[in-house]
Parts: sequence; structure tokens; C-alpha cells
Amino acid sequence: AQRVTQPEKLLSVFKGAPVELKCNYSYSGSPELFWYVQYSRQRLQLLLRHISRESIKGFTADLNKGETSFHLKKPFAQEEDSAMYYCALRHTSGSRLTFGEGTQLTVNP
Amino acid sequence: NAGVTQTPKFQVLKTGQSMTLQCAQDMNHEYMSWYRQDPGMGLRLIHYSVGAGITDQGEVPNGYNVSRSTTEDFPLRLLSAAPSQTSVYFCASSYDNSEAFFGQGTRLTVV
Repeated sequence: AQRVTQPEKLLSVFKGAPVELKCNYSYSGSPELFWYVQYSRQRLQLLLRHISRESIKGFTADLNKGETSFHLKKPFAQEEDSAMYYCALRHTSGSRLTFGEGTQLTVNP
Repeated sequence: NAGVTQTPKFQVLKTGQSMTLQCAQDMNHEYMSWYRQDPGMGLRLIHYSVGAGITDQGEVPNGYNVSRSTTEDFPLRLLSAAPSQTSVYFCASSYDNSEAFFGQGTRLTVV
């Protein structure tokens, strides 16, 4: 069965520090993975998808099929990065998404 | 474009009451879905639809019904509200293999 795990519910860093939000998955097939972000009192929005391999707001994420991971990284965190981050996996059959538990990132001044 | 619109934004229900959460999208997306968001549990899929007239159950469908009579609308019905259904509900839509767009959410409290 497909599953997405985000081991850290809460993550707190200081402004300017590197940040890494962990995501591991299990899926029998070729996964498509995403990071969604939810800023305070706003709707979820797409941050990254692995197939596009781009950097958004300084964030990057690399799919590691050997370790079944899709960690989100940013070298220098900013206060405006404070948000809830969700890792998600899309099923190959249709558009269903399986989400991880979420990581609440707080960037302190 | 309005995108995905959910109504109401907030709702308080008494146990046993029924209600419908509305979701509408104006992007002509075929795929629509409902999630509930609970602390520490992420978003869990309740029901989804791959097109008008087609619906299917997700991970946590019990206590909820859906229908999809048009491409634009995908209402979620709570048949007899229970305190365990206190949650934030999100509707989402997408084309197949594209980014999912989410509504602003409905915060439901069942007392």
C-alpha cells in the first residue's frame, strides 16, 4: 500500500540557517511526488513537484528512489517560510493524492 | 478566475444534524476530491470523482456522501454529524496528472 511519512511534526530553525524537511514514501510503482505548503490561514498550494526539478522560493527536493525519500531543502531559511508543509504522492491510476502527516516549520528571527 | 470555492467557511453543527459542504470549480477540471485535515494526521481522502456521474470512496468515507451531477460542483454531505467529524475540510480539483488546486477550507465543529 502507498504511504507517505513525515517524521517531524514540528521543526524550528533560526533565520539564515539551513532547513531540511524529511519525507519518505512507500509505493509499488513509479511515484510522482509533490510538496504542498499551507501558510497561516491560507489554502494549500503547490510548492514543488519532482518531475519539474525546479527551485521555488529557494527550496529544492530530489527524489531518491534508493532511499525512497523526497526531502525538501533550503540553504538559508527566511521568516516567511514559516508554514505547514505536506509531502504528497500521486497514484499512477488517476489523480488521487496520499499526503504525509505534515511538518510545521517555524523560522525564528 | 475564482478557482476552487468552498462554502461555508465555518460551521457549527449539533450531533445528529445533517448538512452539505459545497465545492465549485471554474477550471473545467475532471478530477475533484474531498479531504479532511486533522492535527498530526495530515490530509486524508474522503471521496473523489474522476468526472461527472462518477464517484468513489477514499480512505475515510464513512459518514459522508457525495455526488457529481456537473463538472463544476462536488458537494459533500454529512448524513448525521458526529463529534469525530470535527475537522477542516478541503476540496481540490485537477486535470489528470496536473497540479491539484485547493479551496480555502471549511472549518466544521460538531458539538
